[in-house]
Amino acid sequence: DTGVSQDPRHKITKRGQNVTFRCDPISEHNRLYWYRQTLGQGPEFLTYFQNEAQLEKSRLLSDRFSAERPKGSFSTLEIQRTEQGDSAMYLCASSSGRTGETQYFGPGTRLLVL
Amino acid sequence: DAKTTQPTSMDCAEGRAANLPCNHSTISGNEYVYWYRQIHSQGPQYIIHGLKNNETNEMASLIITEDRKSSTLILPHATLRDTAVYYCIVARYGGSQGNLIFGKGTKLSVKP
Repeated sequence: DTGVSQDPRHKITKRGQNVTFRCDPISEHNRLYWYRQTLGQGPEFLTYFQNEAQLEKSRLLSDRFSAERPKGSFSTLEIQRTEQGDSAMYLCASSSGRTGETQYFGPGTRLLVL
Repeated sequence: DAKTTQPTSMDCAEGRAANLPCNHSTISGNEYVYWYRQIHSQGPQYIIHGLKNNETNEMASLIITEDRKSSTLILPHATLRDTAVYYCIVARYGGSQGNLIFGKGTKLSVKP
């Protein structure tokens, strides 16, 4: 199966620590998206890349959040100085970028900040 | 805010058709209707999408009204594994916009 993969699947950290999540998109998909999902809510868009260019980052929740996609393949999402309110599922999706294309989601990384 | 309105929850008997409605009265001419579902603790799964014509694939059928202000997702023979939250999303692709705006969706419970 060559779907979207995310690592780790689960992360427990203490408040104030930095965490980094990785997303590997479907091969040859040039668009990559990050979403956050809190309990009982639908996924909330954070940012997206077309190849290595980050085209939208105004929805990142604060300056503690940053994302990279240095070679246009995998991406990382970093949260610095984590807070308990950062506890959520972080989802990655990819698409081929053509008009009308579909986003395919990974299994998510569940973060718990103690 | 999401551009769609869906019922909070629905029940369906196993083996029967599940018909999930969605209102999107402010949809623009170049926006597609997308359906995703999310089974507990998993990432959203793409089901189907359409622009103005009805669509069918191996998972479901999508019926879009002529004025495009509403649509219905049909699961022809629901099984227990179809229990999930179903999201109806309108989205435009191309250019600099590509994100999906999710609402709270419809929680479908398929019962034996």
